[in-house]
Amino acid sequence: AQTVTQSQPEMSVQEAETVTLSCTYDTSENNYYLFWYKQPPSRQMILVIRQEAYKQQNATENRFSVNFQKAAKSFSLKISDSQLGDTAMYFCALGSNYKLTFGKGTLLTVNP
Amino acid sequence: DAGITQSPRYKITETGRQVTLMCHQTWSHSYMFWYRQDLGHGLRLIYYSAAADITDKGEVPDGYVVSRSKTENFPLTLESATRSQTSVYFCASSEYGQGLGGAEAFFGQGTRLTVV
Repeated sequence: AQTVTQSQPEMSVQEAETVTLSCTYDTSENNYYLFWYKQPPSRQMILVIRQEAYKQQNATENRFSVNFQKAAKSFSLKISDSQLGDTAMYFCALGSNYKLTFGKGTLLTVNP
Repeated sequence: DAGITQSPRYKITETGRQVTLMCHQTWSHSYMFWYRQDLGHGLRLIYYSAAADITDKGEVPDGYVVSRSKTENFPLTLESATRSQTSVYFCASSEYGQGLGGAEAFFGQGTRLTVV
């Protein structure tokens, strides 16, 4: 079985500041990928960033970057220069064994 | 228009009734998924399909039935709706199975189902 745990149900940050969302996972598979998805109030699920487990280099996408610690099975998301539009539910997800398993999500609020 | 669409967007049904949620994608993606989203649970996988006529159970399959006679369609049926099935349902598709490659999963807009 594969599991994804997000220990922070809610977080808040001031506009322009940096925030880190935590995620841990567990899988017995050797081939897997990790993702962060964003769900704004519109309910649409949007891919933020992905990480290939066999790559040691941490993925980055503009203001979004990850800290991937494979041995610790940790996959945190850092958002730099937070913007009001970043307000959303963020889901960590593990892709392996043909399917995608999600954590329970972290509701991030960016305050002006 | 290219993409993945779900219908209806909102549905209210009565306990015991059968209801079908539709999902259609235009990319010819092999894999399709159904998730339910509930407060405090995130997204939980109900069923998934690797290709036409190939389906498999996810984490919470009880009370649901799926079929996939065509690659582009993946309907989800609640055979006898219960109040515990009140939820937001998401359909998704990806080019190949997760773990085989980092394929992005594309999601529909969701269907909010209320069982009264």
